[in-house]
Amino acid sequence: EAQVTQNPRYLITVTGKKLTVTCSQNMNHEYMSWYRQDPGLGLRQIYYSMNVEVTDKGDVPEGYKVSRKEKRNFPLILESPSPNQTSLYFCASSLFAGEAAKNIQYFGAGTRLSVL
Amino acid sequence: DAKTTQPPSMDCAEGRAANLPCNHSTISGNEYVYWYRQIHSQGPQYIIHGLKNNETNEMASLIITEDRKSSTLILPHATLRDTAVYYCIVRISSGSARQLTFGSGTQLTVLP
Repeated sequence: EAQVTQNPRYLITVTGKKLTVTCSQNMNHEYMSWYRQDPGLGLRQIYYSMNVEVTDKGDVPEGYKVSRKEKRNFPLILESPSPNQTSLYFCASSLFAGEAAKNIQYFGAGTRLSVL
Repeated sequence: DAKTTQPPSMDCAEGRAANLPCNHSTISGNEYVYWYRQIHSQGPQYIIHGLKNNETNEMASLIITEDRKSSTLILPHATLRDTAVYYCIVRISSGSARQLTFGSGTQLTVLP
């Protein structure tokens, strides 16, 4: 089944303790992206990657790192989490080509992170 | 990407058609209309997209007006599981790595 898989689904941590949220897709998609969703603010892009070893900042990259060493994986790293990073996080992927149908983004189920 | 306007909420009786409108009066010629939905706190789910012709798939139909300034998503036989926030997004299809701008969407509640 084609899917985007995020882990963990729920995470409670403390300020300053490094964590990684994994994201994997099995659709051979070139484009992957991380969003965070907060009440009243909608979905905001953190980082995106157009292909292996190619990453770029979205609208809210501060406090986050990403890497794209393999096409299928795009982990989100919080080196020193802070309470303002408490949020619902989504990973997404798409083929990202010139045709509208290939620009459709597929989302993971989400990771709810609480930083105490 | 063109700005979209959707009603904040709508109700629909189970088994009836749900018609969700979207205004996108500033849409340009190379911009597509995409619809996604998000069931409470789950990942957004793609529904359908179109450029100027009406489109239908197994989930829904998309009706785009001739001037392309508005569109309607139709769920032909709404079920309780269709209760979700529905987002209308207008964007070009190619060359952009920009994020999807979801806006506020329409909260559709399907009533038993």
